Amino acid sequence: AQTVTQSQPEMSVQEAETVTLSCTYDTSESDYYLFWYKQPPSRQMILVIRQEAYKQQNATENRFSVNFQKAAKSFSLKISDSQLGDAAMYFCAYRSGWGSSNTGKLIFGQGTTLQVKP
Amino acid sequence: SAVISQKPSRDICQRGTSLTIQCQVDSQVTMMFWYRQQPGQSLTLIATANQGSEATYESGFVIDKFPISRPNLTFSTLTVSNMSPEDSSIYLCSGQGSDGYTFGSGTRLTVV
Repeated sequence: AQTVTQSQPEMSVQEAETVTLSCTYDTSESDYYLFWYKQPPSRQMILVIRQEAYKQQNATENRFSVNFQKAAKSFSLKISDSQLGDAAMYFCAYRSGWGSSNTGKLIFGQGTTLQVKP
Repeated sequence: SAVISQKPSRDICQRGTSLTIQCQVDSQVTMMFWYRQQPGQSLTLIATANQGSEATYESGFVIDKFPISRPNLTFSTLTVSNMSPEDSSIYLCSGQGSDGYTFGSGTRLTVV
């Protein structure tokens, strides 16, 4: 079974600085997808970034980028120029590729609470 | 992307009663998922709901306790039955559409 581990329960960053959130996962599959979601106090889950395992190029979305190391099964999120609105809980998630008996379900890590200091 | 309206947003219920949570999607989604989340913690999948078939439950969750309906591609309900204080949690639904996943805003349930 696949597992996702986020080893940093809490992180803090100064406004305008850069922070990296860690995520590792365990799988025997070669085809899968990885996600970072943001959950502010409103509880709304917001997709931050997504990475397909078959793509070697790291995904980027404006100030958000990932460092995807497939061999090491690592998927960290880098937030540049941190803003107060980035404060939230961040979840790393895994989904099997369509070649498996995949129902499309997401497997979430434990989450990392990010505090942004003004 | 799709938008999910989840109701109620919160409720306080007496032990032994049942609560039905509804999720309405503004467009068709293939799969719907129901999660439980303790405040400040991760999301735990309860079950996967496909239209026209019985939901698939994860280990530790059973249909008698969490019956799910999925009558069409835009609607699903989760019932929390015979509630106890241990059922106090946040319940979220999610839909998988052509453009990815969308989530409801959650139901905060308190059982007294």
